[in-house]
Amino acid sequence: ETGVTQSPTHLIKTRGQQVTLRCSSQSGHNTVSWYQQALGQGPQFIFQYYREEENGRGNFPPRFSGLQFPNYSSELNVNALELDDSALYLCASSSDLAVYNEQFFGPGTRLTVL
Amino acid sequence: DQQVKQNSPSLSVQEGRISILNCDYTNSMFDYFLWYKKYPAEGPTFLISISSIKDKNEDGRFTVFLNKSAKHLSLHIVPSQPGDSAVYFCAAIPPQGGSEKLVFGKGTKLTVNP
Repeated sequence: ETGVTQSPTHLIKTRGQQVTLRCSSQSGHNTVSWYQQALGQGPQFIFQYYREEENGRGNFPPRFSGLQFPNYSSELNVNALELDDSALYLCASSSDLAVYNEQFFGPGTRLTVL
Repeated sequence: DQQVKQNSPSLSVQEGRISILNCDYTNSMFDYFLWYKKYPAEGPTFLISISSIKDKNEDGRFTVFLNKSAKHLSLHIVPSQPGDSAVYFCAAIPPQGGSEKLVFGKGTKLTVNP
């Protein structure tokens, strides 16, 4: 069973640029959630995708957008990058068949905005 | 406004002793709580959970206690081992129908000294 993978591992961008982060969900999972973890903070929910549709969104501006593909992999896109977007971006997958929302996390993408 | 609070940023214990990690929450509608463990350069991994209808759940060396009246939960690790050294996150599942999927605390860094 393949776990959750994310790419790239690290990324450096400058203010105003756009970035795309990728996530492959665990085998058998149809739901992907994205979290932002700033330094010294806990993960903060960005949004969730279920069967290619957005299924809940946290308190993030519209320049944070996402996609889920038919194979349940997902992308997180961030436009007009700001310095405060520097963080670890975590992807988590889960199954709608689970009794509760146990999410399995990938290792994250470390984004640095200069 | 933080709904899940871990007020101790760090905890240090001796190998073999008990580790107690605390978590408080403000929303009495939370109905499920989870603990995640995170090693550096890895994503959080699920450790143990508890439903709001229970006050205790045990899994090997790990026990979670829930005090609903105090809106408080704690994770006990007995006996603590050096491999338990990690950041521990408390998380809660909001009431059904909310856009948030998991609400995390800021984490407590546990160090178990040999």
